[in-house]
This record gives sequence, C-alpha cells and structure tokens, in this order.
Amino acid sequence: DAKTTQPNSMESNEEEPVHLPCNHSTISGTDYIHWYRQLPSQGPEYVIHGLTSNVNNRMASLAIAEDRKSSTLILHRATLRDAAVYYCILLNSGGSNYKLTFGKGTLLTVNP
Amino acid sequence: GAGVSQSPSNKVTEKGKDVELRCDPISGHTALYWYRQSLGQGLEFLIYFQGNSAPDKSGLPSDRFSAERTGGSVSTLTIQRTQQEDSAVYLCASSFWNQALDGYTFGSGTRLTVV
Repeated sequence: DAKTTQPNSMESNEEEPVHLPCNHSTISGTDYIHWYRQLPSQGPEYVIHGLTSNVNNRMASLAIAEDRKSSTLILHRATLRDAAVYYCILLNSGGSNYKLTFGKGTLLTVNP
Repeated sequence: GAGVSQSPSNKVTEKGKDVELRCDPISGHTALYWYRQSLGQGLEFLIYFQGNSAPDKSGLPSDRFSAERTGGSVSTLTIQRTQQEDSAVYLCASSFWNQALDGYTFGSGTRLTVV
C-alpha cells in the first residue's frame, strides 16, 4: 500500500492560514488523496479529497503537486475549532486499497 | 437521518457479558466499516461490508468479535464474553460504492467500558 508521511505536530495562530503537508512518493495513478481530521473526543470527519487538480470546498483547499508525490491541506483562516489531528490517506479507486488506514497524522494546535 | 447513527452512545458492561453495538449508515451507502479506537491510540480497522460481497473480516481481533449487516443497511457488531481490553470507542463509517471518489462518513461512536 502507498504510504503517507506527515509531520507529527504543527502550531498556528487563530485567523492565520495553515498549510499542512503530506508526502506520498509511492502514490499510484489511481490513488486519491484524502484528508480527514479528528477533533478531541469525536469520530473522524472527512475534510477533502482530490486526484490531480487542486480542490476547494467550504472547509479547506487541497493543493496537489504536479508529480502528485506531495500535497498540502490549506486552512485559510484557522479557528480554535480547527485544532485536531489531521490525517492524509490514499484510497485507490480501482479497489486495491479501500481501507482508511490511519497513521499518526499531524496534531494541529491553534493558539488564540 | 442525514448522518451515520450509532447506538448506544455509551455502554458499560461487566466482564464476560456479551454486547451488541448498532450502526445505521447513510441511506444509499453500500459500504460500511467498523473501527475501534482505544484511549490515546489510533484507529484500528475491524471489518468492512460492501453490498452483497463477502465481508472483509481481516481486522477482527479475535473470534469473540462478529458483525453482520442485514438487508444491506443496518449493521450490528457483537462482542462475546467481553474483556477489559475491549474497552474502546467503536466507530462505524459508511460510504458510496467507490469510497475513493466520495470519502467516508463516520458516526459519533459507541464508548464501551468493560468493568
């Protein structure tokens, strides 16, 4: 299975942008890049996903490198509610990897 | 409802008793997953259902754990002869057929405490 690598932790200030990086150098052509987050004492929450092009939704933006070996989740204005563990996960559209396998993720701390 | 519903939200049981945890997936979602998360630990995959296909049970930790999905909708996770190490939050998630294209939606979980 293609693996992802994320920093263990990051810190941000409220109302500032946050860029959360993820490396996935062994990504295959049919792997989608998914981001989930888990707030304290809650189940995981879907954030965004993409294949090749950059993606935007109401929660965040996903910037995908041209070679697809890395991606960045962008929170445009961090709030205290964005403090969570963020997970970058690859899912294969061909069905060879359908399990959300959670690594350690990045613990994001947002300072007021 | 609009989301994945799990019940009960909390369950305290005595060691050795059997428990049943229920998951109502989002209507139209053909794929259903069970995960568990022990205190301070990561998420552990347990079992996966996809339509009428045989479930992927590769994550079930022992034969005391079983799950079924009736009519392609509601799922029940059963733990027999519970042990203290079974204490965890059990999470259910569902998705459309090709989860890579749509992503998963998680329920709020059932917190199981075995005393």
